[in-house]
Amino acid sequence: NAGVTQTPKFRILKIGQSMTLQCAQDMNHNYMYWYRQDPGMGLKLIYYSVGAGITDKGEVPNGYNVSRSTTEDFPLRLELAAPSQTSVYFCASSLTPTEAFFGQGTRLTVV
Amino acid sequence: QQPVQSPQAVILREGEDAVINCSSSKALYSVHWYRQKHGEAPVFLMILLKGGEQMRHEKISASFNEKKQQSSLYLTASQLSYSGTYFCGTPRAHDYKLSFGAGTTVTVRA
Repeated sequence: NAGVTQTPKFRILKIGQSMTLQCAQDMNHNYMYWYRQDPGMGLKLIYYSVGAGITDKGEVPNGYNVSRSTTEDFPLRLELAAPSQTSVYFCASSLTPTEAFFGQGTRLTVV
Repeated sequence: QQPVQSPQAVILREGEDAVINCSSSKALYSVHWYRQKHGEAPVFLMILLKGGEQMRHEKISASFNEKKQQSSLYLTASQLSYSGTYFCGTPRAHDYKLSFGAGTTVTVRA
């Protein structure tokens, strides 16, 4: 079972570059989330989606954009990378307000 | 709004007990608990629902006090495998926006 798949696992970006973090789930979950986790810190919600075509901001959305054109995919876009965006990014999904399944994370470094 | 967890960290010897608290300034309709091992993704432990029973995962149990808007996680007779960071998550009722507390790092020593 694939569950929640994130790509890439690691990435180094230069300041000002752009990239898209991919997230796909094969469980037909309605709800999907993007979190960032700075070293030794908690999970901060960036964006979330309650279904295809519907997205909303979380606690720290600045510098990021998302889209949800299908139930399966929820990509996160960084337009102008900054050192403050160095973090581990987790995508998660859930069917209802019950168990959320997390991907293995993307470790991003901006230099 | 993110829930508040306490304590930030706890160190235990095998077999000892600990309690982790999670509170919110807003009414809660459910509380999730997750555990994250170092370098790994968070993993779901249990969910507490309004009016629901106290839940258990192995020797880890949790309670939910709706009136106080808080949940507590009880680590009983701790094992080395309980080490990790524990997060509580509080989904918003109308759209399931799932926010997490800052986490409690638990270290269990032999």
